[in-house]
Amino acid sequence: DAKTTQPPSMDCAEGRAANLPCNHSTISGNEYVYWYRQIHSQGPQYIIHGLKNNETNEMASLIITEDRKSSTLILPHATLRDTAVYYCIVRDFNQAGTALIFGKGTTLSVSS
Amino acid sequence: ETGVTQTPRHLVMGMTNKKSLKCEQHLGHNAMYWYKQSAKKPLELMFVYNFKEQTENNSVPSRFSPECPNSSHLFLHLHTLQPEDSALYLCASSQAGLAGVNEQFFGPGTRLTVL
Repeated sequence: DAKTTQPPSMDCAEGRAANLPCNHSTISGNEYVYWYRQIHSQGPQYIIHGLKNNETNEMASLIITEDRKSSTLILPHATLRDTAVYYCIVRDFNQAGTALIFGKGTTLSVSS
Repeated sequence: ETGVTQTPRHLVMGMTNKKSLKCEQHLGHNAMYWYKQSAKKPLELMFVYNFKEQTENNSVPSRFSPECPNSSHLFLHLHTLQPEDSALYLCASSQAGLAGVNEQFFGPGTRLTVL
């Protein structure tokens, strides 16, 4: 079972920031938070990951609460091409080479 | 070619056919994965290979037979499938052995329809 809880769907207007929440209240000290997204009928795409500090890359920002029990993925200026299912996944730091466990994710719909 | 490629992209087969799905990664990774995504369901793991050795089998029926001849290629051999096996089959790769580096790169998938 996935160790995360996400809202099933969210809407966002084009050009506005999309803030996608994720609860991971049972996260352990060795576990990172990863975000992937899947555009319709394509393979999932890695977005970002973090341990306890906030992270930013060219795609998004990741804000992790101080107690690490929840996080928010931020797409600063959503476009129509950001419409996708977004998955929040937690996994152990040392589990390179093991499977990702996907939940149902959040379906983000960006509209003009 | 870059990234992870999968062929064919679409496949229609009868229940008595034998077919194979192919995955190739051009990233120098040493771990490869098969995932299955049925309609309206989350992705679920089928198999994991690390350094060409199968390390995970998620209770997959024997009508699905994986093969990993080298670290760049992964096959999924299919025989006597059922209509409920119709799904998107996704291949992924990653670099195992580096703690904390868990990014997996996915191919575009093969859309399989079993008649």
